[in-house]
Amino acid sequence: SQQGEEDPQALSIQEGENATMNCSYKTSINNLQWYRQNSGRGLVHLILIRSNEREKHSGRLRVTLDTSKKSSSLLITASRAADTASYFCATDDSRSAQKLVFGQGTRLTINP
Amino acid sequence: DAGVIQSPRHEVTEMGQEVTLRCKPISGHNSLFWYRQTMMRGLELLIYFNNNVPIDDSGMPEDRFSAKMPNASFSTLKIQPSEPRDSAVYFCASSFGTVYQPQHFGDGTRLSIL
Repeated sequence: SQQGEEDPQALSIQEGENATMNCSYKTSINNLQWYRQNSGRGLVHLILIRSNEREKHSGRLRVTLDTSKKSSSLLITASRAADTASYFCATDDSRSAQKLVFGQGTRLTINP
Repeated sequence: DAGVIQSPRHEVTEMGQEVTLRCKPISGHNSLFWYRQTMMRGLELLIYFNNNVPIDDSGMPEDRFSAKMPNASFSTLKIQPSEPRDSAVYFCASSFGTVYQPQHFGDGTRLSIL
């Protein structure tokens, strides 16, 4: 089954710097979503981008989608300590647009 | 508004025992999903419901696992008998509509089978 794969697996940066995480997937999609998970908590939806969109913004978040390369990136600008979390991309399953297949995630650490 | 509510938050039991995990989705949401998260396999979809009807249970690992949704505000995931390899964090999520909708997750049940 298609699955998003995040890169890098772990990222550690200083507060105030920008953080970029990448996601690659294998087959065509209808939409791609990014989620955040704080330690011990459930996933929280951040942003959804449809296959006919190339870029989307939400506050300090910027998501791009390149369907020709089957890849997406999540950029967090001016990072804060509170951004420390794991970030997951999720793609819809080719057989069912409602099913989401999650990648393994990127563990982001923001150092004060 | 209350989010997705799962209970219990933690469960420790001995192998062979029956385990029941509970979920209350967000009011008005008509889709409900059960996931399992482990370090080795990541986040896996076990089963999902639309309008209380199971749509896809292909992720349920084996017959020891069963899920029900008797009404729009309640779902259970049952493991009987439980085994140590079932140890994981189990998440319930709900969404409104069928496609292109974000899923709202509960904080999970951390299950440990001894």
